[in-house]
Amino acid sequence: EDKVVQSPLSLVVHEGDTVTLNCSYEVTNFRSLLWYKQEKKAPTFLFMLTSSGIEKKSGRLSSILDKKELSSILNITATQTGDSAIYLCASPNAGGTSYGKLTFGQGTILTVHP
Amino acid sequence: DTGVSQNPRHKITKRGQNVTFRCDPISEHNRLYWYRQTLGQGPEFLTYFQNEAQLEKSRLLSDRFSAERPKGSFSTLEIQRTEQGDSAMYLCASSRSTGQAHEQFFGPGTRLTVL
Repeated sequence: EDKVVQSPLSLVVHEGDTVTLNCSYEVTNFRSLLWYKQEKKAPTFLFMLTSSGIEKKSGRLSSILDKKELSSILNITATQTGDSAIYLCASPNAGGTSYGKLTFGQGTILTVHP
Repeated sequence: DTGVSQNPRHKITKRGQNVTFRCDPISEHNRLYWYRQTLGQGPEFLTYFQNEAQLEKSRLLSDRFSAERPKGSFSTLEIQRTEQGDSAMYLCASSRSTGQAHEQFFGPGTRLTVL
C-alpha cells in the first residue's frame, strides 16, 4: 500500500524565519509528488514535482524532489503570518482504475507568530 | 463560481442518524473523488467515480457508507447510522480524465459532527 510520511507534524516560528518541511514516500509506480496548502478549507495546489533535483519556485516557496532518497522538501523563506496553514504532500496513483487517487501525508501544521 | 461545490458546509447530527452530502464537480470534469479528513491528519481516499461508474472504494468505506453519481454529474455520499468516529471533514474533488493528477480541484468540504 502506498505511504506518504511528513515531518515535522507541527512547527511554530516567528515572522521572517525560514522553514523546511519534509515528505518521504513509498509509492508503487511513482510518477509525481504534489504539495498543497490547506487553510481552514480545501487544499490548494502549490507544486508538482516529477524530476529529481529540479527546484520548483513560487515567490518565497520552493520545493525539490530527491528520487534516490524517496523524499521531497518544501522551503518557505521570510515566513509571514499568512503562511500559517497545514502543508500536505501527496502522491497520485499512476495507473489503472485508481488513476489520480491521491495518497496524502499527515500534514505539517505551520504556525507563524508575528 | 465555477469551482467544486459541496453542501451542506456543516452538519451536526446525533449518533444513529443518517446523513447525506452532495458534491457538484466542475462541469466538464468526469472524474470525482471523495476523501475524509480527521483532525490532525491528511485527507484519506474514500471512493472514486469516472462518469457514473464507481471504480474504487477504500477499505475505510464501511457498509454504512454509500456513494452515488447517478448521471455522471453531481455525487452524493450517504452515511447510515452515524457513529462519533464518523466526525470529520468530507472533501470532494474533481478532474478531467485527460488531466494530470495534480489538476484535481477540491471543494470546500462538509464538516460533519456526530454527537
